[in-house]
This record gives sequence, structure tokens and C-alpha cells, in this order.
Amino acid sequence: DQQVKQNSPSLSVQEGRISILNCDYTNSMFDYFLWYKKYPAEGPTFLISISSIKDKNEDGRFTVFLNKSAKHLSLHIVPSQPGDSAVYFCAASAASGTYKYIFGTGTRLKVLA
Amino acid sequence: GAGVSQSPSNKVTEKGKDVELRCDPISGHTALYWYRQSLGQGLEFLIYFQGNSAPDKSGLPSDRFSAERTGGSVSTLTIQRTQQEDSAVYLCASTETSGGYQETQYFGPGTRLLVL
Repeated sequence: DQQVKQNSPSLSVQEGRISILNCDYTNSMFDYFLWYKKYPAEGPTFLISISSIKDKNEDGRFTVFLNKSAKHLSLHIVPSQPGDSAVYFCAASAASGTYKYIFGTGTRLKVLA
Repeated sequence: GAGVSQSPSNKVTEKGKDVELRCDPISGHTALYWYRQSLGQGLEFLIYFQGNSAPDKSGLPSDRFSAERTGGSVSTLTIQRTQQEDSAVYLCASTETSGGYQETQYFGPGTRLLVL
């Protein structure tokens, strides 16, 4: 049972345009969400997070939106740059689950120059 | 400072052999995780260590998998009698404190295991 789903395995976007990566979850107990970015041959690195008390969190070119009623979150990158080409994982956790994060399968973003 | 390191970076083994994967967490980090990423899958939690507490082994897929963490630092994941379905990237992560709610995990580069 995949509690965190990233239904798009890949996405291609032109440089300068907006990239939108989506993530859906099924467990209503999840209340903290993160996005990680992974380059080939490297481990995932933390990108941005959001708590369920918010519906938006912004950090530079990266914004995460959370729609709790739809159990959906999205990561917007604008403007997209070639260096953003990577695999993006969303992850979710619940206060009751403390240290455990549930990860999605990842979306491979390719930003075309 | 140095990040999380893992060795070897790649490992090819024959079915039935044992393998050991090593993780060096960030110095001073008290919590350590092991994950597995199989082809087309997300990161699957395997095991969690925190200080001197008993590890959470609930994610280990079978009794062929075991892990230890010596001296609260280096960890070794051992897979006995490897099977082809064990082929995956094995990732290690550490957190500064208990890995509690909302704490960022720092990942190593992973060990890519291929079982022939």
C-alpha cells in the first residue's frame, strides 16, 4: 500500500518556465511534508518542507503548496534552471510516527536549456 | 564538515553470498537510518538506530537482513544469502538528535547492490 504517491515518473520543462511536481497521500494522519532532491550517484538532499498548519511555504524559487482536503501537495519551481534537473521525492510524516518518513517513488525532472 | 559516507559505492555479488554495507554518519549525529530503493520504488525504511536505545527493525524485509551500530557511530547492514530481489540502492541517513518529528535527515550517496 503506497501511502505517498508521485504519479508522474518524469517531467520535462523548458528553462525559465515553471516546473510543477505533484504528490498525493492517503494517510490523513500525515501532518508534515518534505521534498528532497536527488542527483545521480548522490544521496537525497532536503529541499523544502511544510507543516499541515500552513497551505504554502516559499523558499526562493521553490514553493510547496498543501491541499489537505485533497491530500495533495505540489512543488513549484520558478523559473526552472538546468541545474534543477534531478529526481524529486516527496515524503510525509505524522507527529504520532515521530522519526518515520514515508517517501514517494520520485519524479525525474529534466529542465531543457 | 564531512557528510554521511557509505561504502562500497557499488557492489556486485553472486546469489547466495553475504554482503556488508557500511555507513559513517555525520560526526555527532545520534540517529541513523537505513533505507532501500528498489527500481521504480520509493525509499523503503529498513531500520532506525537512536543512541543506546533498542533499534527499530520493523522495516527489515526478512531475517536475512541485519544491522548493527557500534559505539553509536558507524553502522553495518548485512545481507546474508543474497537474492536477486535484494538488488537495490541502499541509503543511509543520519539526524542530529533523535530524528524526531520535523527533523531533517542527511543522506549518504548510497551503495548500489547488484545480485547476479
